[in-house]
Amino acid sequence: DQQVKQNSPSLSVQEGRISILNCDYTNSMFDYFLWYKKYPAEGPTFLISISSIKDKNEDGRFTVFLNKSAKHLSLHIVPSQPGDSAVYFCAAGGVKAAGNKLTFGGGTRVLVKP
Amino acid sequence: KAGVTQTPRYLIKTRGQQVTLSCSPISGHRSVSWYQQTPGQGLQFLFEYFSETQRNKGNFPGRFSGRQFSNSRSEMNVSTLELGDSALYLCASSLDRGEETQYFGPGTRLLVL
Repeated sequence: DQQVKQNSPSLSVQEGRISILNCDYTNSMFDYFLWYKKYPAEGPTFLISISSIKDKNEDGRFTVFLNKSAKHLSLHIVPSQPGDSAVYFCAAGGVKAAGNKLTFGGGTRVLVKP
Repeated sequence: KAGVTQTPRYLIKTRGQQVTLSCSPISGHRSVSWYQQTPGQGLQFLFEYFSETQRNKGNFPGRFSGRQFSNSRSEMNVSTLELGDSALYLCASSLDRGEETQYFGPGTRLLVL
């Protein structure tokens, strides 16, 4: 039962343009959502999060949008830079019975071309 | 402030052996969670520790266990290793339970031969 899904395994974008990564979830009990960036052989790096009571959160080049009715969130990166090339994971948490457990999507590999 | 540290970074074991991995959380963080990353299953939650007690456990066999010490450092142990246990094991720490953001260490890459 995959509660968090990232349907696009990869994304290629030109430097300077917008990268849009999508994530869908099925469990309406999730209380918050996070995006992580991961390079090979390293741990995930926290990028940005959003609470389920909000529909948008912005931090520098990163903006996360949450559509609760559609159970969908997206991460916008503007402008995209070559250093953004990595695998991006969305994660969901906050289900009371699950404590600090995060449920991850399968990841989207982003390639930013110079 | 130093980040989450994990030791060792790389490990090679043979089937049937056991292994212990260590995690030191960010100073002041009291909650430690462990995750397994494999190409086939992605990132999966193993367990969470807080105040030296396991608070939550993922869907893994009993061969996977862990503990947390009074200084919040944590270890996880895998006994009777199987080939399928080859993975990147990640530790994440957060300030408290219910804290939204978890910060990950670099991981321990385990190869079981």
